[in-house]
Amino acid sequence: AQSVTQLGSHVSVSEGALVLLRCNYSSSVPPYLFWYVQYPNQGLQLLLKYTSAATLVKGINGFEAEFKKSETSFHLTKPSAHMSDAAEYFCAVRNNYGQNFVFGPGTRLSVLP
Amino acid sequence: NAGVTQTPKFRILKIGQSMTLQCTQDMNHNYMYWYRQDPGMGLKLIYYSVGAGITDKGEVPNGYNVSRSTTEDFPLRLELAAPSQTSVYFCASSTSGTGGEGNTIYFGEGSWLTVV
Repeated sequence: AQSVTQLGSHVSVSEGALVLLRCNYSSSVPPYLFWYVQYPNQGLQLLLKYTSAATLVKGINGFEAEFKKSETSFHLTKPSAHMSDAAEYFCAVRNNYGQNFVFGPGTRLSVLP
Repeated sequence: NAGVTQTPKFRILKIGQSMTLQCTQDMNHNYMYWYRQDPGMGLKLIYYSVGAGITDKGEVPNGYNVSRSTTEDFPLRLELAAPSQTSVYFCASSTSGTGGEGNTIYFGEGSWLTVV
């Protein structure tokens, strides 16, 4: 069975500081991994996804994530936080058989001026 | 450029009432999903469908029913609404493929439901 854990339900950073949101997964087969962002009162939008090509994946809005098989991790980073990055971020996994997406509990990112 | 459309956006129900959340997608996706989102709990899968005429239970199906008569539509029915069903509901769709651009789930804007 697949599962996703996200360390830290709430992360606060200062504007201009590094953003690091952690995601660890468990999967019995090579996974497909995703990061989604949810702005207040909106649906979820895809930030980036790993589909077994390059292990460093670049997404929208300057975000990137690195797949590390040995650590079963897919942490999301951004070098310099912007106020508009304040949102809820969800990590998700889908197994190699194309079944359901499993989402982590989410991490709320606050950006302080 | 509609994508996944769900209605209504907001609804208040009384305990014991029934209602249907509508969901339609125009991307010809064969997979469709209903999730509920509660604060701090992430997304929980209620029901999903892998194609017209085929549905299956997710993690939290009790109190809900679904049908999939067409590729486009996947309504979620709440029977005998209870306060525990107060939540935000998201419909989503994806292809069955696991490669390339097909391996993405697309979400609707959400439906805020309050049961009082």
